[in-house]
Parts: sequence; structure tokens; C-alpha cells
Amino acid sequence: GENVEQHPSTLSVQEGDSAVIKCTYSDSASNYFPWYKQELGKRPQLIIDIRSNVGEKKDQRIAVTLNKTAKHFSLHITETQPEDSAVYFCAASRGGSQGNLIFGKGTKLSVKP
Amino acid sequence: DVKVTQSSRYLVKRTGEKVFLECVQDMDHENMFWYRQDPGLGLRLIYFSYDVKMKEKGDIPEGYSVSREKKERFSLILESASTNQTSMYLCASREAGGPTDTQYFGPGTRLTVL
Repeated sequence: GENVEQHPSTLSVQEGDSAVIKCTYSDSASNYFPWYKQELGKRPQLIIDIRSNVGEKKDQRIAVTLNKTAKHFSLHITETQPEDSAVYFCAASRGGSQGNLIFGKGTKLSVKP
Repeated sequence: DVKVTQSSRYLVKRTGEKVFLECVQDMDHENMFWYRQDPGLGLRLIYFSYDVKMKEKGDIPEGYSVSREKKERFSLILESASTNQTSMYLCASREAGGPTDTQYFGPGTRLTVL
């Protein structure tokens, strides 16, 4: 069935370094790829998304890249700060009219001051 | 500002009890979702509803049912709770435009079944 693989499951970086989280998807019909951030004890919130007709999108310190041929997409966070510490989930839309999301298993990012 | 609320933040129930988890959204969204979140497993879709009185099974519907009698409210029902249903349950809503519309999540209900 459809699947989204996310790596790594945990990531620890020093403040100011960059962090990269990678996801691969299996459904060729997926055309929307959001990223959610979940801080400890809080609800997941959308931080950035990308559609299949775009290869890269940036929003200040975060960027997402998409390689449709290889079926993978990545989240890049530059100049990391302690408040970036959270669990990050990637997701891919399912094919078909419902367009529900399939989520990856999450990456716990720790930014050390 | 979208607001999605869930009836309880923490809930403790006994095996075999019938459990109701409720979710309310105030943005007139068509679509609503129930997920369960377990460490190392991410968010898994239990059921979703794209309109009032409509429901579709997600990836892990076994042991659950849902009800959507009003547009703003989506209930998850555990007919006979079991210990393997101990989990964090997240509700979400989105407009009817399709997958590219943002899903907004509720704060979650941490359910413990003893």
C-alpha cells in the first residue's frame, strides 16, 4: 500500500547548524507534500508545503525540495535555534479525489544551545 | 483563526467501556479526520468525513466507529475499549478544496485504557 518513509528518526544539532530531514513516498499520484511541526505537548502545525509542479520552496530559514522522479522530498532548516526543537512530520497526499494525507513516522529534532 | 477543540485532554477508561471522543471546529470546514499518534508510528488515519453524515474508513478503522451529525462536530467511538487503544488521539479539519488545503489539528486527547 501507500507509504511514506522518513529519516532520520532522531536528529541532534548544535545551534546555528543546519538540519535536513528526508522523506520518500510510494504513491505516484501524490501531488502535495506538507511538513508539520509538533512541539512538546502541542498540536501539529503546518510549517511549509510544496506542490508537485514546484521543485523548491523557501520561507525564511526553512526550505523544502521535491524530486518527483526519485519520489523524495526534504526539509532543510538553516541557522537552527533552540525553538526549532520539535518533532517534524512529512506527509504526502494520496491519489484520488479524497486526497487524504499519509504521514511519515516523524523526526525528533533537538537543537543544543 | 481556525479553532479545533477536543472534549478532553486526558481520559482514563477501563477495558470494555464505551468511549466517546468529541471534536468541534468553528470554521465551517467540510472535512474532518481522526488520527491516532503513537511513538515511532507517526500519525495514522482512523476515519474521515468529507461531509455531514458521510464517513470513510482510514488505514486503521478496526475497533472504532465515528459519527458526524452536524458539520462542526465529529465523534470517535470506541465500542469496547481495549488496552491496545491506549494512545494519543488527534482530530483535524480542513476545507473541502482537497488535499492542498491545510489540515488544522486539535490539541489531542491522551486516552489510557486500563
